[in-house]
Amino acid sequence: DIQMTQSPSSLSASVGDRVTITCRTSQGIRNDLGWYQQKPGKAPKRLIFAVSSLQSGVPSRFSGSGSGTEFTLTISSLQPEDSATYYCLQHYTYPYTFGQGTKLEIK
Amino acid sequence: EVQLVESGGALVQPGGSLRLSCAASGFSFNSYWMNWVRQAPGKGLEWVANIKSDGSEKNYVDSVKGRFTISRDNAKNSLSLQMNSLRAEDTAVYYCTRLLNNGYPDYWGQGTLVTVSS
Repeated sequence: DIQMTQSPSSLSASVGDRVTITCRTSQGIRNDLGWYQQKPGKAPKRLIFAVSSLQSGVPSRFSGSGSGTEFTLTISSLQPEDSATYYCLQHYTYPYTFGQGTKLEIK
Repeated sequence: EVQLVESGGALVQPGGSLRLSCAASGFSFNSYWMNWVRQAPGKGLEWVANIKSDGSEKNYVDSVKGRFTISRDNAKNSLSLQMNSLRAEDTAVYYCTRLLNNGYPDYWGQGTLVTVSS
């Protein structure tokens, strides 16, 4: 199975800050990586697919990058509504695997 | 508008069975792979199973192989997950998701809670 190492597990940042979340995979996954945002009691919401493609309707302050085995989700200017848990997902091979999640809090 | 609505979650005893359903609307259901993902209380996301658009291919995470069966009825725009020999560790919210061609889950339902406890 492909292991996903997501970091940090939690972070606290201020409105306007630039935030970066990293996902490392145990082997190469081409560009079969996506990011999700989940708020308490809600289903995950799609943010980014194919490493860097922004889903329709997602604010442009969200971006994704990376290649090989290291990928990042960046929020360029944090907003209060970005408080959530973020997950990466590899869908390159079975079983699909998620990162452990990053809980983002607003100071 | 794409909608996925899960149902069937319940409290069930260990060793019991349960069938989850997902009603899909707003897209050509028979053109898409579909997926189940679960989330144990307070934990992260875990992929469970998926099924090809015509039902001819199915994939499962090892922990549910031989116990869970994914199926679909394209005439009814419906996805199902038959869960047998349930264990406490199967307790979770189960989400139905649609997959893009590259395997990326884009749309998610609201989830249905399965609790396995005596």
